Amino acid sequence: DAKTTQPNSMESNEEEPVHLPCNHSTISGTDYIHWYRQLPSQGPEYVIHGLTSNVNNRMASLAIAEDRKSSTLILHRATLRDAAVYYCILNGNAGNMLTFGGGTRLMVKP
Amino acid sequence: NAGVMQNPRHLVRRRGQEARLRCSPMKGHSHVYWYRQLPEEGLKFMVYLQKENIIDESGMPKERFSAEFPKEGPSILRIQQVVRGDSAAYFCASSHLAGGTDTQYFGPGTRLTVL
Repeated sequence: DAKTTQPNSMESNEEEPVHLPCNHSTISGTDYIHWYRQLPSQGPEYVIHGLTSNVNNRMASLAIAEDRKSSTLILHRATLRDAAVYYCILNGNAGNMLTFGGGTRLMVKP
Repeated sequence: NAGVMQNPRHLVRRRGQEARLRCSPMKGHSHVYWYRQLPEEGLKFMVYLQKENIIDESGMPKERFSAEFPKEGPSILRIQQVVRGDSAAYFCASSHLAGGTDTQYFGPGTRLTVL
């Protein structure tokens, strides 16, 4: 799977929007962009995924650049419960394993 | 619909003993994945199984580790003759399909401590 680059950490205030960036300049045409998060002492949790178009669900929104070389996970109103490590992962149709990088540790301040 | 279940949640073993970790996938899921997370590190893929078959074990250590997913019952990750370096959190995930579009659902993990 192609590699992704994320900032090590970010801070946000509670109730404010958060934009978590991810660069994936070597993405291939069949790679889906997945986001997972891992809360402290828990297993990873699926957040959202997309291919080319922006996606929304009850947890977050995913904005994908037109050239697909970057994407942004948007949490519309951060809560304390959103404090976690967020992983941006590329998953192609031929692959089954998820390759986790270092992710972004999101800290939410009350 | 119950999520992915793993047991035990915590397991303590002495060096040289065997550890057996169990994973029950979500109902209707036939694809199971095992990942390992060493302390203060990211998750690393170990093995991918479908019912009765190992599809990809490229992340499994060559010795002492084995995995199975029988026709009936949970998937088992078995570690023989454990060493201190095996201390980690082991996560199981399952999916309905396989490939870029599908979502993997993770269990709560088994935290193995080797004394």
